[in-house]
Amino acid sequence: EPEVTQTPSHQVTQMGQEVILRCVPISNHLYFYWYRQILGQKVEFLVSFYNNEISEKSEIFDDQFSVERPDGSNFTLKIRSTKLEDSAMYFCASSVIGANEQFFGPGTRLTVL
Amino acid sequence: GENVEQHPSTLSVQEGDSAVIKCTYSDSASNYFPWYKQELGKRPQLIIDIRSNVGEKKDQRIAVTLNKTAKHFSLHITETQPEDSAVYFCAAHDQGGSEKLVFGKGTKLTVNP
Repeated sequence: EPEVTQTPSHQVTQMGQEVILRCVPISNHLYFYWYRQILGQKVEFLVSFYNNEISEKSEIFDDQFSVERPDGSNFTLKIRSTKLEDSAMYFCASSVIGANEQFFGPGTRLTVL
Repeated sequence: GENVEQHPSTLSVQEGDSAVIKCTYSDSASNYFPWYKQELGKRPQLIIDIRSNVGEKKDQRIAVTLNKTAKHFSLHITETQPEDSAVYFCAAHDQGGSEKLVFGKGTKLTVNP
């Protein structure tokens, strides 16, 4: 069964550094999402992406965040200047257009020191 | 915007007993309600979902009920097994509007052998 994949599984970075989190959505899916989960808390929506543009973003997704689909398979989340409070598990998800089942990747644990 | 409340935050049952987790939502436009199971350190996995045109859906030992009037939905697990131990998240989605899933805070279910 196809799955969403993410790399790296764990990223450690210094405050102020840029990080890029990578995702490969399920191949026939057209909607892509990033969510984050701070340790012990609920999953929070960051951004959705369709047809090569952001379709919705949350208040969390400020100017420090950006997303990109650089090729036909990858979907990336960039944080330009990381802060301590960016430490969280970041999940990529994808869904088929017209359906709502969102399938999550295994996550990238980001630790900002 | 949508707000999802989930109760209880922790639930401990004996193997073989039933477990019930309840969620309420605020936006009457929400019409898709998935449940995710998250084992420690792993991705949220979709286990069952329900759309607002039905009141109940079953899949083996798992069932979900929806009361649109009261704006609440519940997950029922019968004949619980130790491998059911995980954190369960409910979520709500407005198919005709926002693309994001709004999650509850999660319920940590422990099934004692």
